[in-house]
Amino acid sequence: SQQGEEDPQALSIQEGENATMNCSYKTSINNLQWYRQNSGRGLVHLILIRSNEREKHSGRLRVTLDTSKKSSSLLITASRAADTASYFCATEPVQGAQKLVFGQGTRLTINP
Amino acid sequence: NAGVMQNPRHLVRRRGQEARLRCSPMKGHSHVYWYRQLPEEGLKFMVYLQKENIIDESGMPKERFSAEFPKEGPSILRIQQVVRGDSAAYFCASSPNRETEAFFGQGTRLTVV
Repeated sequence: SQQGEEDPQALSIQEGENATMNCSYKTSINNLQWYRQNSGRGLVHLILIRSNEREKHSGRLRVTLDTSKKSSSLLITASRAADTASYFCATEPVQGAQKLVFGQGTRLTINP
Repeated sequence: NAGVMQNPRHLVRRRGQEARLRCSPMKGHSHVYWYRQLPEEGLKFMVYLQKENIIDESGMPKERFSAEFPKEGPSILRIQQVVRGDSAAYFCASSPNRETEAFFGQGTRLTVV
């Protein structure tokens, strides 16, 4: 399977609920990044967590990284309709700096 | 400070034609990366360039695809003799150095008819 796999592939929740997306990867990394992509649009960088960090917050976003399990999670609290988008994790392998490896993405739908 | 600028945003080419995609990095950024996104998939790395040099082209198809980043002007991704399978969104990203995260452009959506 591919480096940087997101789970679930699709998630639909009600506005105000929390959304959790997971990402698994295979090789040693320098950092892991989360991006958002609205339908047919460009990528928006959300947050970067380095391999020596375990948790990071940015507004309503909370990212965790467990290097022993090679996994990360993205939590969006108090979701809004505007959060509807695809979310991708991208890892920067130790071998291959700046050569980001993206997962297939999680398609998040927030229902009003 | 404008972001990464890609043009055109949409490009339609007939099979066999050439496609030229341009990317102007953010001011002060000398590292450029190209990625391709097929429909309903994540981005796949294609090539990493630094001014006038190709650093890593391990993701580039061996034929028909080439990239450059001249001393002056934008980075160019060139696809010769396009085929339907080349239809995708092509994203460019730039960074000031290898240690800093890259910023992505809005992408060029190539459609081959």
